Amino acid sequence: DAGVIQSPRHEVTEMGQEVTLRCKPISGHDYLFWYRQTMMRGLELLIYFNNNVPIDDSGMPEDRFSAKMPNASFSTLKIQPSEPRDSAVYFCASSADRGLDQPQHFGDGTRLSIL
Amino acid sequence: AQSVSQHNHHVILSEAASLELGCNYSYGGTVNLFWYVQYPGQHLQLLLKYFSGDPLVKGIKGFEAEFIKSKFSFNLRKPSVQWSDTAEYFCAVIHSGNTGKLIFGQGTTLQVKP
Repeated sequence: DAGVIQSPRHEVTEMGQEVTLRCKPISGHDYLFWYRQTMMRGLELLIYFNNNVPIDDSGMPEDRFSAKMPNASFSTLKIQPSEPRDSAVYFCASSADRGLDQPQHFGDGTRLSIL
Repeated sequence: AQSVSQHNHHVILSEAASLELGCNYSYGGTVNLFWYVQYPGQHLQLLLKYFSGDPLVKGIKGFEAEFIKSKFSFNLRKPSVQWSDTAEYFCAVIHSGNTGKLIFGQGTTLQVKP
């Protein structure tokens, strides 16, 4: 199993630009999660999907952030326009069910720097 | 709101010292509990988990954790740490009333001196 695959691994861009982060969950996993990790706030859940449907997006910081899951094997997290305070490591994770019996598997993350 | 508290933010130990990292959660119902580890520059990896049964669970690399329901705690332990255990450790909880939302603690940075 290839695990959760995220791209890019690193992204450096100027503020105001659109940023798109990508995630491929483990095949067969029904749940997909997007997290943001910063020194100040730790690990925060931004949004999660079940069977491609967003279930809880209460962690999405503001309207500049959007996430989609057009099919079971792909999800994007988009920031438009980006700001320096969005700099963080963004992790995608997937699990086989809602987590009561299966743990979440994390990708390697995207380290985002907004200049 | 449900929360997870990790009391030790930064722990520094010498090799061979014993480790205990505290974790407390605030939900009173049925919970599943996890410890994840994040080595420098890497993604989170599952260290161990508790779902039911024996409250003392053993994970990878010699780690174990004890679920004490009366104290709402799930402390992580290792009898003798190694330099390679230097990492950040996250406690996480998911409860039966939640449809998949894993609540993480703030994390504890462990630094092991050789």
